[in-house]
Amino acid sequence: DAGVIQSPRHEVTEMGQEVTLRCKPISGHDYLFWYRQTMMQGLELLVYFNNKAVMDDSGMPKDRFSAKMPNASFSTLKIQPSEPRDSAVYFCASSWRGPVGYTFGSGTRLTVV
Amino acid sequence: AQTVTQSQPEMSVQEAETVTLSCTYDTSESDYYLFWYKQPPSRQMILVIRQEAYKQQNATENRFSVNFQKAAKSFSLKISDSQLGDAAMYFCAYRSAYNNNDMRFGAGTRLTVKP
Repeated sequence: DAGVIQSPRHEVTEMGQEVTLRCKPISGHDYLFWYRQTMMQGLELLVYFNNKAVMDDSGMPKDRFSAKMPNASFSTLKIQPSEPRDSAVYFCASSWRGPVGYTFGSGTRLTVV
Repeated sequence: AQTVTQSQPEMSVQEAETVTLSCTYDTSESDYYLFWYKQPPSRQMILVIRQEAYKQQNATENRFSVNFQKAAKSFSLKISDSQLGDAAMYFCAYRSAYNNNDMRFGAGTRLTVKP
């Protein structure tokens, strides 16, 4: 398996623009997580899915962020409109339930200018 | 809610020496899993080692081992024979075995390895 695949690796956009981050989890994993990493806040959980259903999105600013998982092999995190404070590295990770760690993608570094 | 605390923002070790990174956590649950992740400058998050709370034996992976003290809610990582490639951010993480399956991370410890 190629691991968790995220795209794009880097994204630079202007404030107010729509940004879409993409993730392909490891086949067979039934959990998918979106994290945001910043120097100030560290790793924050934004949202996670179990079998494509949102289980917890309490960490996600609902006014501008939305996350979807239309099928078991694809998820998106959309920011509209983007703001400079959204600049961060966004990680997608997938996992089975149980005593296993997550497998992380390589992250998307988002810069909003 | 579970919290994970790493009290050492930065640590330094001489190559070939041993270093211990500290982690404590707060939970009321009896069953959970603990992890250490490494994040080198490439920013890839790499699983280093994991421990199941019901297991008394401390986990070991080559040069990496943990000291798991369940009563004290402590989960430290020991790196033996440190190598230059061990330089990275290290994150301690907690994952519940019950309803919430998300993982809680500490703030991280930046490890520098001196040649």
